[in-house]
Amino acid sequence: QSVLTQTPSASGTPGQRVTISCSGSSSNIGSNTVNWYQQLPGTAPKFLIYYNNQRPSGVPDRFSGSKSGTSASLAISGLQSEDEADYYCAVWDDSLNGYVFGTGTKVTVL
Amino acid sequence: EVQLLESGGGLAQPGGSLRLSCAASGFAFNSYAMNWVRQAPGKGLEWVSGISVSNGDTFYADSVKGRFTISRDNSKNTLYLQMNSLRAEDTAVYYCAKAHSSGYLIPFDYWGQGTLVTVSS
Repeated sequence: QSVLTQTPSASGTPGQRVTISCSGSSSNIGSNTVNWYQQLPGTAPKFLIYYNNQRPSGVPDRFSGSKSGTSASLAISGLQSEDEADYYCAVWDDSLNGYVFGTGTKVTVL
Repeated sequence: EVQLLESGGGLAQPGGSLRLSCAASGFAFNSYAMNWVRQAPGKGLEWVSGISVSNGDTFYADSVKGRFTISRDNSKNTLYLQMNSLRAEDTAVYYCAKAHSSGYLIPFDYWGQGTLVTVSS
């Protein structure tokens, strides 16, 4: 059971905005920066957001991240069919002294 | 182009051992921390272990501590994961992942394609 909780699923039609939440605690999100990864079906995860809200080169600005207290969010604006994937938040946990991933959110484009 | 190529996966018996390798290319391997992440069939991602640039600092998830050993050979640009006392719950695809910034263990900007480890009698 992960220490980071995500809503299992989210969906939207093309062009809509979808928000994914990641809930943690003071030992992880509350004290460290949050990262997000995207995993398309049958592929390895891809680096999506780091340091709460930074996008690596090549990631569209439709993807944005934020953090407040012990929670973080990933927003996808202008949803596209190729955004259909699993999304994971991740953060270092000071109590566990390890990197923890969220439970994952499956995004479906209707 | 950064490439990470895992190998060494396969079928192992409970209590057995396997050694995974990850051959890296396209970047200064000796300047970046490296990690292993696994994903059980139909499940989410689980960080397994990480190793600093110099091989002096290693980190493990509680689920593998004392059974798995991470190491690296900077002369061969290769990362390893020695897995002992394997259990059925270790069955997963194992990915190697490169740290994004020199000097930091996380986050991960490049991932390999993964190698499947199946633990079964």
